[in-house]
Amino acid sequence: AQKVTQAQTEISVVEKEDVTLDCVYETRDTTYYLFWYKQPPSGELVFLIRRNSFDEQNEISGRYSWNFQKSTSSFNFTITASQVVDSAVYFCALSEYNNNDMRFGAGTRLTVKP
Amino acid sequence: DTAVSQTPKYLVTQMGNDKSIKCEQNLGHDTMYWYKQDSKKFLKIMFSYNNKELIINETVPNRFSPKSPDKAHLNLHINSLELGDSAVYFCASSPHLSRNTGELFFGEGSRLTVL
Repeated sequence: AQKVTQAQTEISVVEKEDVTLDCVYETRDTTYYLFWYKQPPSGELVFLIRRNSFDEQNEISGRYSWNFQKSTSSFNFTITASQVVDSAVYFCALSEYNNNDMRFGAGTRLTVKP
Repeated sequence: DTAVSQTPKYLVTQMGNDKSIKCEQNLGHDTMYWYKQDSKKFLKIMFSYNNKELIINETVPNRFSPKSPDKAHLNLHINSLELGDSAVYFCASSPHLSRNTGELFFGEGSRLTVL
């Protein structure tokens, strides 16, 4: 089965700092999808982005950007000029095309201090 | 309109009791899931149903029994609750494989506390 590793358990930064959350994955499929979800203190899972395995173009959405590198099996997430509202647990996840089975990393708890 | 809704949102009960959590999706999806999030925030798949048929059953005690009366509903019944069952349970749904983009649509979670 696929596997997702988020080696950073907790990260603490001061507001306005940039921060990168790492994600490394393993899969035998050639077609797969990668995701990032945010879980704020209120507890719901908020979808941030989906990338498919054929699209290695990096993406930027406001202060958020994602770097997908198949060569290193990584899908890292950077928040620029972090804000207190970015404090949350962030999950990286992988879903293989031929099954309906999304697997999550262990999550990274980000704390942004004022 | 809520796309994936779970009830109840909070559930506090005693050890040994039996309880159910209900999930409904109005997205017309074929596949539904239950995930468990433990106290360390780790999210783990428990079950997956496709069109009322069980397709994923991870190593979950048989005290947990999913029931899918139709493809829009996937309920989770738990017998003889134990302290370790305390967790947040998330329901999710996704389109049929042929239209699969991999994305899951999650409910808001049901926090179960066993005393």
